Amino acid sequence: GEDVEQSLFLSVREGDSSVINCTYTDSSSTYLYWYKQEPGAGLQLLTYIFSNMDMKQDQRLTVLLNKKDKHLSLRIADTQTGDSAIYFCAAGGYQKVTFGTGTKLQVIP
Amino acid sequence: DTAVSQTPKYLVTQMGNDKSIKCEQNLGHDTMYWYKQDSKKFLKIMFSYNNKELIINETVPNRFSPKSPDKAHLNLHINSLELGDSAVYFCASSQVLVAGGNTGELFFGEGSRLTVL
Repeated sequence: GEDVEQSLFLSVREGDSSVINCTYTDSSSTYLYWYKQEPGAGLQLLTYIFSNMDMKQDQRLTVLLNKKDKHLSLRIADTQTGDSAIYFCAAGGYQKVTFGTGTKLQVIP
Repeated sequence: DTAVSQTPKYLVTQMGNDKSIKCEQNLGHDTMYWYKQDSKKFLKIMFSYNNKELIINETVPNRFSPKSPDKAHLNLHINSLELGDSAVYFCASSQVLVAGGNTGELFFGEGSRLTVL
């Protein structure tokens, strides 16, 4: 089955950029997603990228996909304290989405 | 108007008991899921239903029995609860991924925190 790996923790200063990395194993994944989970809440979709794209930009968020290395990254520009949360990478095909281990982002004021 | 709602939000019970968690979605989606999130925040899929039919059953003990009376509801019944069942259980729904049609985005409920004593 699909395996999705992320580093568990990232700490950045407010105003800096954050980069969260993810690797996956199933090259047939059609979509790759980034979800955000705030304390005590469910996950919410932050952004996604289709597998035939290399990059997607959405305001402060930039997603980079390297299909050859099966590597996905999420860059958050000008990180704010409100960005503190757990970020999950996920890889999906038809009818199944596998989530990564989650990266806890801590933003230091 | 909550899109995916699950009840109860908190559940504290003794080992050996049987309990149920209910989930309803009002998004018109045809696929619903149960995910388990453990204390380390790892999220694992347990079950997936498409139009009331079970399509994914990941190696989950048969003490866990999902039931989908219609495509808007997916309930989870757990028999003979064990300490290791303590976790947050998330219900989610999506429209099944269609090539060029949608993104397969999952919409999550707020979670049901189960504590087994």
